[in-house]
Order: sequence, then C-alpha cells, then structure tokens
Amino acid sequence: DAGVTQSPTHLIKTRGQQVTLRCSPKSGHDTVSWYQQALGQGPQFIFQYYEEEERQRGNFPDRFSGHQFPNYSSELNVNALLLGDSALYLCASSLVTRMNTEAFFGQGTRLTVV
Amino acid sequence: SQQGEEDPQALSIQEGENATMNCSYKTSINNLQWYRQNSGRGLVHLILIRSNEREKHSGRLRVTLDTSKKSSSLLITASRAADTASYFCASSPTQGGSEKLVFGKGTKLTVNP
Repeated sequence: DAGVTQSPTHLIKTRGQQVTLRCSPKSGHDTVSWYQQALGQGPQFIFQYYEEEERQRGNFPDRFSGHQFPNYSSELNVNALLLGDSALYLCASSLVTRMNTEAFFGQGTRLTVV
Repeated sequence: SQQGEEDPQALSIQEGENATMNCSYKTSINNLQWYRQNSGRGLVHLILIRSNEREKHSGRLRVTLDTSKKSSSLLITASRAADTASYFCASSPTQGGSEKLVFGKGTKLTVNP
C-alpha cells in the first residue's frame, strides 16, 4: 500500500517564477492538505481539498492556489515566487468522511527560491 | 500563527533513558496527533488521541491528554539512538469544519549512544 507520494523532492526556482508541486494521497484517502514548513518551524496549514474543492484555507496569499483531481491527487501552485517562499512543502492525506482519522504525510518537496 | 507550543525546545538524553515532551494548545480540539520528523524530511505519524481519551499507548510511546489544561505529553520509554528526531504535536481544532492540523515548533530530541 503506497503512502503519500510527492514530487519533485527538490526544486530550485528564481524569484518571480511559478512552481507546481504534486501529491498523490494514500490509497483510500479522499482529502489532501498542504502545509509549508520553514526552517526550524512547525508546518503551517495552507489549504485543504476535498471533492475537488478548497475546503478551508490558512493565512496564505492568493499566490498560493491548488487543485484536486477526480483521482484525489492534488497540485499546489505558487505564483510570483518570493525568497520567503523557500521552505519544505508537505502534503497530507486523510479520510474526511470519518472523524478523528490519522493524517499521513509525504516526504515533502524542498523548494529553494534564489 | 502557530497555535501549539512544545516544551522543551530541545532535549538531550542517554540511550535507555525516558524522554518526555509536552505540548500546549489554545482552542478546543477534536483530537491531537504526534509526529516525528527526521532531518527536515516528511512527518511520520506516531499516535492520535481523541478529545474524550486521557491516555493512549503504542509500543514504547505513551501519550496523555488533559483537555482542561489544553495540554498533552509524549513519553518515549527506553530511548534509542534511532529516536533522535524532532517531535511535533498537531491539534485538530473543532472550529473551522475541516480537520486541519495546527502545529507547534517541535521538540528536538537527541539520544546519545
């Protein structure tokens, strides 16, 4: 049973560029959440997708957008990259139709903006 | 902003000793989960405790939850060098309608052989 998979593992982009990160949830999970983890900090919630719609959003600007596909996989897009967007981006999957289920994380994508 | 706080920020112990990490949160929750992270990579799920539970065990892990104090603790017994990692608690607030997780800054545990 494959867990949560993210691609790519590392990425280097230039300020002002756009980036797309990808996530496949754990088998049987229907919800994908994205988190940003700056160095030395805990992950911060970006947004959550369920049934191909954004269900809840954290305190992130509109430059951060996402998408969920019918097979539950998801993309995170960041436009007009800033140096401060450099971080580890984590995807988590869960089963929203059952309360109190564990959220499982992927290995993350390390984004460096230069 | 981060809701949770872990205490201590860093902990260094010898192999075989027990390690205790504490976590506080600010609002009412559905559940609280603990995660381990090695070298800035992905988060490994350790244990989930529901708001109506007070204690839970999993192998060498023991988690307690005190909703009146809005706090939780993670105890790792008989620690091993392989337990060296950062540990995060993540609370799931009842408000908001989704099951987003709110993390603290984590406790960095070093287990010396």
